[in-house]
Amino acid sequence: DAEITQSPRHKITETGRQVTLACHQTWNHNNMFWYRQDLGHGLRLIHYSYGVQDTNKGEVSDGYSVSRSNTEDLPLTLESAASSQTSVYFCASSDTRATGELFFGEGSRLTVL
Amino acid sequence: AQSVTQPDIHITVSEGASLELRCNYSYGATPYLFWYVQSPGQGLQLLLKYFSGDTLVQGIKGFEAEFKRSQSSFNLRKPSVHWSDAAEYFCAVAGRGSQGNLIFGKGTKLSVKP
Repeated sequence: DAEITQSPRHKITETGRQVTLACHQTWNHNNMFWYRQDLGHGLRLIHYSYGVQDTNKGEVSDGYSVSRSNTEDLPLTLESAASSQTSVYFCASSDTRATGELFFGEGSRLTVL
Repeated sequence: AQSVTQPDIHITVSEGASLELRCNYSYGATPYLFWYVQSPGQGLQLLLKYFSGDTLVQGIKGFEAEFKRSQSSFNLRKPSVHWSDAAEYFCAVAGRGSQGNLIFGKGTKLSVKP
């Protein structure tokens, strides 16, 4: 079965360190998204990609970057982690031909000390 | 600005009782509308979606939602709640052609009393 997997599922890091969260999907979807979920804020879009070599900023992109070198992967990098980036991060994908349905990974919980 | 409002942060219902979760949206045109459910420690799963046509849509797990254009609402309903329905529920909107770029509400947490 097709799926979308995130790793690591849990990570603790220190302020100032670089962190990369991996996202891999086997749906062969063109579109991939990164959201963060925080209490009281719901899900907020960080970055998204509509295909290889395409990346776009979302609502809360400061401090984050992504790159899309193939269809399957969209890693999310925190260049210099801050305590405000402690959150649960969700990767999602969607089919260009479909009408907006997102398929989500199980999330990565990041704690920045 | 485009937005989604879920007025209820937390709702508690008794098992077997009916349920209605509210969702209001602000959008320039009729958007695509979605309800997602998130169980603890899990990602989000699509419950149902509205694109066009019949304004009452059926979803998985016995849920349904009704699109009311005049009220800019898309409320989620279930006639009889089961303990396994305890979860967080998110309403979302997307523009036609947005290719999955959804705007989410802040969620409503549902607790179910035995």
